[in-house]
Amino acid sequence: AQSVTQLDSQVPVFEEAPVELRCNYSSSVSVYLFWYVQYPNQGLQLLLKYLSGSTLVKGINGFEAEFNKSQTSFHLRKPSVHISDTAEYFCAVHEGSQGNLIFGKGTKLSVKP
Amino acid sequence: NAGVTQTPKFRILKIGQSMTLQCTQDMNHNYMYWYRQDPGMGLKLIYYSVGAGITDKGEVPNGYNVSRSTTEDFPLRLELAAPSQTSVYFCASSYSGAGGEKLFFGSGTQLSVL
Repeated sequence: AQSVTQLDSQVPVFEEAPVELRCNYSSSVSVYLFWYVQYPNQGLQLLLKYLSGSTLVKGINGFEAEFNKSQTSFHLRKPSVHISDTAEYFCAVHEGSQGNLIFGKGTKLSVKP
Repeated sequence: NAGVTQTPKFRILKIGQSMTLQCTQDMNHNYMYWYRQDPGMGLKLIYYSVGAGITDKGEVPNGYNVSRSTTEDFPLRLELAAPSQTSVYFCASSYSGAGGEKLFFGSGTQLSVL
């Protein structure tokens, strides 16, 4: 079975600073990888996804992620964060024919002024 | 643009009570899912459905039941509520379940069992 590990449960950062949220996955086959964001008291929204092709994936709100097959990683980055980026971020991998996603435990990003 | 709608948003149950969490989607999606989210644990799949009349267990199905009589609706039933079922529940849907397909999530139901 596939699994996803998010290495940091909380990441505090100052506004306009860069941020990296780390994600590692375990799979011996081709993977589809996702980052979802959950703003307070809301459901999850897709931030970006990697299916194939270019290893650098750009998403909404200025976020991007890099797929690294040799390191089995899919880290999320943003060069300059805003207060409005405060949220919980989930890395996920697609599993099986039922379309299910296996989620990591989440990383809470807290952007301070 | 309703998308995935969940009701209620909040509920407090006593131990042993029963309730149904409602989920409906208006996007004609075939696949629907129920997840629970516990603090620091991410989301765990409870049940899923690949179409009307077809449901299957996910990772944590014990204590829950589902049905899928229509494409639009996918209710989750708790028969004998237990404190361990205190959680936030999310319903999600997708069109085909294909690899790489985006899931659409509802805004969640926060359930407390006391």
